[in-house]
Amino acid sequence: ETGVTQSPTHLIKTRGQQVTLRCSSQSGHNTVSWYQQALGQGPQFIFQYYREEENGRGNFPPRFSGLQFPNYSSELNVNALELDDSALYLCASSPADSGNNSPLHFGNGTRLTVT
Amino acid sequence: RKEVEQDPGPFNVPEGATVAFNCTYSNSASQSFFWYRQDCRKEPKLLMSVYSSGNEDGRFTAQLNRASQYISLLIRDSKLSDSATYLCVVNERTGANNLFFGTGTRLTVIP
Repeated sequence: ETGVTQSPTHLIKTRGQQVTLRCSSQSGHNTVSWYQQALGQGPQFIFQYYREEENGRGNFPPRFSGLQFPNYSSELNVNALELDDSALYLCASSPADSGNNSPLHFGNGTRLTVT
Repeated sequence: RKEVEQDPGPFNVPEGATVAFNCTYSNSASQSFFWYRQDCRKEPKLLMSVYSSGNEDGRFTAQLNRASQYISLLIRDSKLSDSATYLCVVNERTGANNLFFGTGTRLTVIP
């Protein structure tokens, strides 16, 4: 069974640019969640997508946006990049019937550096 | 106040030692609890879920005290391979599967 895969692995961008990160969900999983992990911090919830709709959002500004596609893969887009956006971006997928008591299994992340 | 608070450490312990990590959470309505392990520059991986009655997985024991809103992880007979950051995680059941992570506690097991 294929797990969650993310691309690219590493990315360097300049302040003010836009970036798109990609996530392929685990087979059979139709819900995708995105997290941001800054250096020395725990991951923070950005948003979740279910059936191509946003299904919950954390405390992130609108310049963080996402998409989910019919095959359940997902994109995270960040506009007008700021230096503080430098972080590890993690994606996790889960089946719709997993409920809110299930742990998440993350992809290996995309490390974004904004200079 | 943060949803989940942990002592960041670092904890440096000799091989074979027993070490305990503690964590508190702020939302008394929280429904599920986990410990994740994160190696340097890698993604967090689930170590174990934490159940109300306490649970054990080999050398690892997790405890939950709902009254005190406190979670613990005990590692017995520490191995060099246990060196990692341990993240306390709480799900507040907000509708989305939204996990709240502590900042993590760094453990180094010394030969």
